[in-house]
Amino acid sequence: EIVLTQSPATLSLSPGERATLSCGASQSVSSYLAWYQHKPGQAPRLVIYDASNRATGIPARFSGSGSGTDFTLTISSLEPEDFAVYYCLQRSHWPHTFGQGTRLDIK
Amino acid sequence: QVQLQESGPGLVKPSETLSLTCTVSGASLTGYFWSWIRQPPGKGLEWIGYVYNGGSTDYNPSFKSRLTMSMATSKNQFSLELSSVTAADTAVYYCVRSGDDSRGYPNYWGQGTLVTVSS
Repeated sequence: EIVLTQSPATLSLSPGERATLSCGASQSVSSYLAWYQHKPGQAPRLVIYDASNRATGIPARFSGSGSGTDFTLTISSLEPEDFAVYYCLQRSHWPHTFGQGTRLDIK
Repeated sequence: QVQLQESGPGLVKPSETLSLTCTVSGASLTGYFWSWIRQPPGKGLEWIGYVYNGGSTDYNPSFKSRLTMSMATSKNQFSLELSSVTAADTAVYYCVRSGDDSRGYPNYWGQGTLVTVSS
């Protein structure tokens, strides 16, 4: 099973700042990696798929990069609605696995 | 608009079987992958398994011996049965859809249902 390790566990930033979240895979997942935004009481929302493609309706301030074992989600200028938990997901190997999440908090 | 809704008991006794159904509206079951994903309290997300093509399945090996998933195309529903549950199976269970339109990633989710395993 592929293990995804996200860092940092918690990131405290202010609106307007840049957020950089990392996801590392225990073996190569090629570009089969997605990022999800998860707010309390809501279903997770697909943000980025195939490492660097924004999902439908996702603002341009969200971008993804990486391939193989190292991936990054960047939010260029944080809006109040961006504060949430972010998970990475790999679908390269079964079982598909999630990272443990990065909590993005308002500073 | 595609909508998924989980239903089933919110409380299950240890050693019994957890049964959930997902009712899909706004889309046919045909041509998509239908999954169950769960989140134990305070923990991350875990993919349980998926059903597709009228009943083919792929199960997470962590659950394989006690998991059954099925789909009822005529009712536009798919189901999960997890046997011999313990407190570790307490979680919010989500039903989700993946397909070519999302490059195989889940892009439609139910709101989730909390299942507590307790006597």
